Amino acid sequence: QVQLQESGPGLVKPSETLSLTCTVSGDSMNSFYWSWIRQPPGKGLEYIGYISHFGLTNYNPSLKSRATISVDTSKSQFSLRLSSMTAADTAVYYCARLDGGNTLDYWGRGTLVTVSS
Amino acid sequence: DIQMTQSPPTVSASVGDRVTITCRASQSIITWLAWYQQKPGKAPKFLIYKASSLESGVPSRFSGSGSGTEFTLTISNLQPDDFATYYCQQYNSYPLTFGGGTKVEIK
Repeated sequence: QVQLQESGPGLVKPSETLSLTCTVSGDSMNSFYWSWIRQPPGKGLEYIGYISHFGLTNYNPSLKSRATISVDTSKSQFSLRLSSMTAADTAVYYCARLDGGNTLDYWGRGTLVTVSS
Repeated sequence: DIQMTQSPPTVSASVGDRVTITCRASQSIITWLAWYQQKPGKAPKFLIYKASSLESGVPSRFSGSGSGTEFTLTISNLQPDDFATYYCQQYNSYPLTFGGGTKVEIK
């Protein structure tokens, strides 16, 4: 059974850069793509981007190039950096596995990130 | 981006009822549609892919249908465990986009 676990700070100051890591266990990172999704409190889901095990990336243009996703398969981890954080970026951030059909079949539990001074 | 619109935002139902949720896409997505269930404080759970195919382990009371721009998720014989929020997601093109969610609440 694949398991994903997000880690990172729960509080970020405005204008700073958020760094989150997702650790994957229970299966190899090969053959799949790995994604970040976020959900502002009480709102819906927003796709942030994905990375393949060999480093191919895709990002949501709505983030205006603020997002960077990287992967370290030797550690079974992938990471998100989101720059120039504002209050609008306050959300639960999920990491998830993208299966071959571009659906999100396994998710982490999510981590709440609050942007506040 | 493809816009996904769900209706209704909330549906009140009782155990044993049949519930239908609609998801509309702003352009044709053929059958590249998934459904997820989310309970408060939890991550979404993958239910259905390619509009009508159940993910392994999902009870058969869940069913999906539709193609093009209009899709439905039906829950037959609603169970206590089914009270949750449901989201559709298109994967016809990137960026992946989700509907706004439909909350199934107890009547």
